[in-house]
Amino acid sequence: AQKVTQAQTEISVVEKEDVTLDCVYETRDTTYYLFWYKQPPSGELVFLIRRNSFDEQNEISGRYSWNFQKSTSSFNFTITASQVVDSAVYFCALSELGSNYQLIWGAGTKLIIKP
Amino acid sequence: DSGVTQTPKHLITATGQRVTLRCSPRSGDLSVYWYQQSLDQGLQFLIHYYNGEERAKGNILERFSAQQFPDLHSELNLSSLELGDSALYFCASSPSDRFDEQYFGPGTRLTVT
Repeated sequence: AQKVTQAQTEISVVEKEDVTLDCVYETRDTTYYLFWYKQPPSGELVFLIRRNSFDEQNEISGRYSWNFQKSTSSFNFTITASQVVDSAVYFCALSELGSNYQLIWGAGTKLIIKP
Repeated sequence: DSGVTQTPKHLITATGQRVTLRCSPRSGDLSVYWYQQSLDQGLQFLIHYYNGEERAKGNILERFSAQQFPDLHSELNLSSLELGDSALYFCASSPSDRFDEQYFGPGTRLTVT
């Protein structure tokens, strides 16, 4: 069974629109961490955020925000007023004791921002 | 710049050959991870080393091996290469062996012809 599900394979929006990337995870551990990474067309993987299971406060960083809801096992990522430079593949990942702390990756969501 | 370096950046080789990919972690990081990303594929975890010791193995083929040296740099050895081994190989590092964010190098693009 998929432990990290990113159901949206590809999303295409017009610049300045808001867009939300979904991430649903599955774990039996009470202590775990969730992550988001960005992979732009240039190929490198860029760390965006790490959130532990005890902190359900939403996080905002500029145009980026993250909504963590344990009740629905989701850790969604919203880009406000999207820009062309946001075009990338975005990966959600989970780290848990049950998997020996290894990052368990979602399949990624390809985000296309059209000018 | 993540602080993780990988060499070479590109590698083109023939089937049956053997190559070595090198990774230097960020200063102070003890863990090194290797990943394979094929075209339009997600990240496949290969192997994790912590302070010189193997900690976890993922979907790593028997033809592949890795090690982490006392100075903490790591090498991934790929042998008897096949066309299907063509991929982007990433190295990542983190300070410890649990719950850390991983910082990725720029990757080595391997093309097997």
